[in-house]
Amino acid sequence: DVQMTQSPSTLSASVGDRVTITCRASQSISTWLAWYQQKPGKPPNLLIYRASTLESGVPSRFSGSGSGTEFTLTISSLQPDDFATFYCQQYNSYSRVFGQGTKVEIK
Amino acid sequence: EVQLLESGGGLVQPGGSLRLSCAASGFTFRSYAMSWVRLPPGRGLEWVSVISSSGGGTYYADSVKGRFTISRDNSKNTLYLQLNSLRADDTAVYYCAKDRDGDFSSDYWGQGTLVTVSS
Repeated sequence: DVQMTQSPSTLSASVGDRVTITCRASQSISTWLAWYQQKPGKPPNLLIYRASTLESGVPSRFSGSGSGTEFTLTISSLQPDDFATFYCQQYNSYSRVFGQGTKVEIK
Repeated sequence: EVQLLESGGGLVQPGGSLRLSCAASGFTFRSYAMSWVRLPPGRGLEWVSVISSSGGGTYYADSVKGRFTISRDNSKNTLYLQLNSLRADDTAVYYCAKDRDGDFSSDYWGQGTLVTVSS
């Protein structure tokens, strides 16, 4: 089974900072990767799918890149609404695996 | 507007059972695969199960295989998750989620229902 490893687990940053979160797959998953944001008490929100395609309605400060085993989520200029936990997810028709999450905190 | 509404959560003793439901509206339910995902307290998201649009394909995480059963009734626009042999580590908020069109990511989520396994 594919394992997904995110880093860092926690990230402290300030409004306006450029933030990068990394996700590594234990084997190649092509570009079958999504990124989600989750705030406390709320369901996850899809940000990026197919590794780099921005979901409709998601601000353009979010971007994704990578293929194979190495992926990144970048927030170009962190906004107050962005403080949350972010998850990568490998997916196919028969399996979905999440990374352990990255909590982005206010510095 | 797409809406997913989970129900059926609650407090159950170890070894007990529950059936969760997810009522869908605002899209052609029978055309999309659907998933269950859970969030245990203090931990990260965990995928639980997925079912194909027709219901003919069902897949599970190893942690729930043999204990949980996913199903759907396309005539009622409803997704189900039968939870048997429940353990304390099944305690979580359970979300249903719709697959994105042409992709296997999840573009719409319900608000979740809390399952607590405790004596």
